Amino acid sequence: AQSVTQLDSHVSVSEGTPVLLRCNYSSSYSPSLFWYVQHPNKGLQLLLKYTSAATLVKGINGFEAEFKKSETSFHLTKPSAHMSDAAEYFCVVTSGTYKYIFGTGTRLKV
Amino acid sequence: EPEVTQTPSHQVTQMGQEVILRCVPISNHLYFYWYRQILGQKVEFLVSFYNNEISEKSEIFDDQFSVERPDGSNFTLKIRSTKLEDSAMYFCATQGPFTDTQYFGPGTRLTVL
Repeated sequence: AQSVTQLDSHVSVSEGTPVLLRCNYSSSYSPSLFWYVQHPNKGLQLLLKYTSAATLVKGINGFEAEFKKSETSFHLTKPSAHMSDAAEYFCVVTSGTYKYIFGTGTRLKV
Repeated sequence: EPEVTQTPSHQVTQMGQEVILRCVPISNHLYFYWYRQILGQKVEFLVSFYNNEISEKSEIFDDQFSVERPDGSNFTLKIRSTKLEDSAMYFCATQGPFTDTQYFGPGTRLTVL
């Protein structure tokens, strides 16, 4: 069975400071992992994905995530937060059947 | 850039009424999904659809729900007799060949009174 745990429901940072959104996963198979962002009253936008190539994945808007198999983690980072980054972020795992398993989300306040 | 579109953006209905939520997938996509997000909760998988049949469905997707692709373009979710607890944001997602990346529509907010 697959699952995703987002360790923080809310994260607050000042503009210009680093962002860290934490995600741990559980999967019986080699997983694909994603981060999606949801701005208020908007749909879900893909930030980045990991699919067993490079463990450090770069996404849009300066975000990146590092896959660490030993820690079963896929944390999302950004060196310098911008006001426009304020949104809800979802970590997602999928393998095998393609359906997405979502984390509970982290609301980022800048 | 191609987008997934959904209509309506907001639907208000009375308990017991039927609703149909519509999605227009990206044109070469073959896999289709519905998810829902109850206010304050996480996004949950409802159903996946491929080659004109359901591939997988969750426990939420009971006999009150159905999906179809009636005209080869739109992908619809029907709820036959809505309940208060069906109030949620419903997201359509579509996926092309040779990838596991899903592209989401903007969602339909369903309010059941």
